[in-house]
Amino acid sequence: QKEVEQDPGPLSVPEGAIVSLNCTYSNSAFQYFMWYRQYSRKGPELLMYTYSSGNKEDGRFTAQVDKSSKYISLFIRDSQPSDSATYLCAMKGQGAQKLVFGQGTRLTINP
Amino acid sequence: DTEVTQTPKHLVMGMTNKKSLKCEQHMGHRAMYWYKQKAKKPPELMFVYSYEKLSINESVPSRFSPECPNSSLLNLHLHALQPEDSALYLCASSQAGFNYGYTFGSGTRLTVV
Repeated sequence: QKEVEQDPGPLSVPEGAIVSLNCTYSNSAFQYFMWYRQYSRKGPELLMYTYSSGNKEDGRFTAQVDKSSKYISLFIRDSQPSDSATYLCAMKGQGAQKLVFGQGTRLTINP
Repeated sequence: DTEVTQTPKHLVMGMTNKKSLKCEQHMGHRAMYWYKQKAKKPPELMFVYSYEKLSINESVPSRFSPECPNSSLLNLHLHALQPEDSALYLCASSQAGFNYGYTFGSGTRLTVV
């Protein structure tokens, strides 16, 4: 079993839809949770960074962490074609030097 | 300046060549990383430098040799690579202590022929 599980998709939704991306994990030591967006042939871009459980909102993006269920989510409201990319969840423990990534979900927003 | 700059963007090299990838950041980050990413896969950690000292080597073959000349620069020296080493090589940095998000560069797309 992988430490972090993420549905690779692909996921295709119409413009304006609410998108939900999810990851589950097995290591209870993980405390720091990140979402990265990666466009084709580019490096990952940090979208959201959260510590421990709860919600964090930034514009159209909301990150949610439920440590009791070992489940994290990224919601994208009013999705745009420019949101089409691969979304990677990543997480790590306190002081850990290694970031553990999910497999990435390929998302396409159709105009 | 909130960027990690990598050069070159593209590199084609033969199996007998020696080349270097360069990475630079001016965010005051004291942790720097090399990752390798194959198509449709997540990044895989290769090396971690903390305060210019190598702290993690993920059992990377010796044909990859990292170097951290100062707190802003990170190099990856390449020698006698194999075609299977073709990938996107990503540099990242973060604040010291590791409990922060990582900033990635755009990567060097390496092709070994």
